[in-house]
Amino acid sequence: DAGVTQSPTHLIKTRGQQVTLRCSPKSGHDTVSWYQQALGQGPQFIFQYYEEEERQRGNFPDRFSGHQFPNYSSELNVNALLLGDSALYLCASSLRGAHSPLHFGNGTRLTVT
Amino acid sequence: AQTVTQSQPEMSVQEAETVTLSCTYDTSESDYYLFWYKQPPSRQMILVIRQEAYKQQNATENRFSVNFQKAAKSFSLKISDSQLGDAAMYFCAYNKLVFGAGTILRVKS
Repeated sequence: DAGVTQSPTHLIKTRGQQVTLRCSPKSGHDTVSWYQQALGQGPQFIFQYYEEEERQRGNFPDRFSGHQFPNYSSELNVNALLLGDSALYLCASSLRGAHSPLHFGNGTRLTVT
Repeated sequence: AQTVTQSQPEMSVQEAETVTLSCTYDTSESDYYLFWYKQPPSRQMILVIRQEAYKQQNATENRFSVNFQKAAKSFSLKISDSQLGDAAMYFCAYNKLVFGAGTILRVKS
């Protein structure tokens, strides 16, 4: 049973560029959440997708957008990259509802230079 | 807005001993879920334990248990018989939305 997979593992981009990160949820899960984790800090909630719609959003600017596909996989897009966007981006899948625990991927390490 | 606070940036424990990690939170909701997640150095975060706010009974998973004090908005994690494999960053989380800053747990042999 494959868990949550994220690609790519590492990414280096230049300020002002755009980036797309990808996530495939654990089999049986229908909800995907994205988090930004700065070094040595806790994950910060970006947004959550269910039934191909953004259902909840954290305190992130519109430069951060996403998408969920009919097969439940998801993408996170970040436009106009800033140095401060450098972080580990975590994708987590779950069932709908606060009761369902998160299953995390290994993350994508984004470095903006 | 909900907040989660972990006041211990780092903790150490001797192998086979017991350690407690602290977590406090703030919310105006009455029904919610609290979680402890573990992030080993390999970085994949995994669930340790879950507590439903409307349940009085503290959750237990093998060597891991919680002390949930709803009125005090406190949710501590107790690890008994600590093992070297318990060394990791531990995060307290409110629902899926808010995570604490984490506590690094070091286990000494």
